[in-house]
Amino acid sequence: EDQVTQSPEALRLQEGESSSLNCSYTVSGLRGLFWYRQDPGKGPEFLFTLYSAGEEKEKERLKATLTKKESFLHITAPKPEDSATYLCAVQDSGGSNYKLTFGKGTLLTVNP
Amino acid sequence: GAVVSQHPSRVICKSGTSVKIECRSLDFQATTMFWYRQFPKQSLMLMATSNEGSKATYEQGVEKDKFLINHASLTLSTLTVTSAHPEDSSFYICSARRGGTNEKLFFGSGTQLSVL
Repeated sequence: EDQVTQSPEALRLQEGESSSLNCSYTVSGLRGLFWYRQDPGKGPEFLFTLYSAGEEKEKERLKATLTKKESFLHITAPKPEDSATYLCAVQDSGGSNYKLTFGKGTLLTVNP
Repeated sequence: GAVVSQHPSRVICKSGTSVKIECRSLDFQATTMFWYRQFPKQSLMLMATSNEGSKATYEQGVEKDKFLINHASLTLSTLTVTSAHPEDSSFYICSARRGGTNEKLFFGSGTQLSVL
């Protein structure tokens, strides 16, 4: 059974204070690892897809990296508007129809 | 970017009534849509996979007679919570799969269901 564990559960940063969120996963075969941002009362918003170990992707202040066991979402010089819950999800290569297994998320709060 | 519209965003109903939630892909055809449930501070839990023109595939432990899913067209899937009870209160989120070379999953904005 696929498993996704995210840490920390919550993270509070000062504006400009860089940090990283962790996503550890267990799958029989990884087809893709996904990062989403979720604001309160909203659906997840797609950020990145990573497919193989060593891959990195960037978008503004966010950078996602992937190893064979975990993924990191690095946040550089965050701003208050980056406050949200960040979700990690994996798709098993044996799965079909794009089924994703999600972690519980990391609640990020960036104080001005 | 692709948009998935979900309605209503919030619904309050009495115990025993049925509630229908709609999920539409606005600018692409979605042969596959997914329905998730999310409790506070918990991860999204897949309830069922909806394929256009065929019966939905339900995850283990999800009652198919309680959560009726219809995917009658390539742009619309509906979830009906039948005879809702307070324990069905949750945040329900749909997603639609856009296929092709840049395959992605897009999410609706969610529906907060409160059953009194």
